[in-house]
Amino acid sequence: DAKTTQPPSMDCAEGRAANLPCNHSTISGNEYVYWYRQIHSQGPQYIIHGLKNNETNEMASLIITEDRKSSTLILPHATLRDTAVYYCIVRGGTGGFKTIFGAGTRLFVKA
Amino acid sequence: NAGVTQTPKFQVLKTGQSMTLQCAQDMNHEYMSWYRQDPGMGLRLIHYSVGAGITDQGEVPNGYNVSRSTTEDFPLRLLSAAPSQTSVYFCASSYGLAGGAEQFFGPGTRLTVL
Repeated sequence: DAKTTQPPSMDCAEGRAANLPCNHSTISGNEYVYWYRQIHSQGPQYIIHGLKNNETNEMASLIITEDRKSSTLILPHATLRDTAVYYCIVRGGTGGFKTIFGAGTRLFVKA
Repeated sequence: NAGVTQTPKFQVLKTGQSMTLQCAQDMNHEYMSWYRQDPGMGLRLIHYSVGAGITDQGEVPNGYNVSRSTTEDFPLRLLSAAPSQTSVYFCASSYGLAGGAEQFFGPGTRLTVL
């Protein structure tokens, strides 16, 4: 399974865009990039996923580089409720359904 | 749909006791998995299943057993609880293709082993 690398923590001002980076340099052609977040001790919540094109939904945007070795999750207008741990995961390919979480990025949104 | 449900929400065990953590989903998902999360840490995969009758080990399978007799249920058994198994346990499920399917997580079971 491809591994991902994320910064351990980031800060963001409320109302500003939060840009969370993720490196996945060993990703294979049929593996997807997923983003989840976990608020306090709740179960992780799905945010968005993509294969090679940029994706946008009501929560966030996902920008994947052309070589697919890195991606960025963008929360366009961060609020205090977006304070959470954000996980970038690579899934699919030979790993199939198996999903491995890394340590994630702890995002602090400050007023 | 209730989504992914887990019972119990909280449990305290003594060392050496056995118990089963229950997980059920009503979305007809093929894939189900169990994770544990220790304080301040990320999630670690214990076991997973790609369908009824098929299970496989994850990152930290020792001390845990699973079975998948139906699509809906995926119980996790602790045969002889140890203090090192004190953790929060999450169950998850997903559907469809391996690459393009989100996982839905349950609310978790908080287990303390004394």
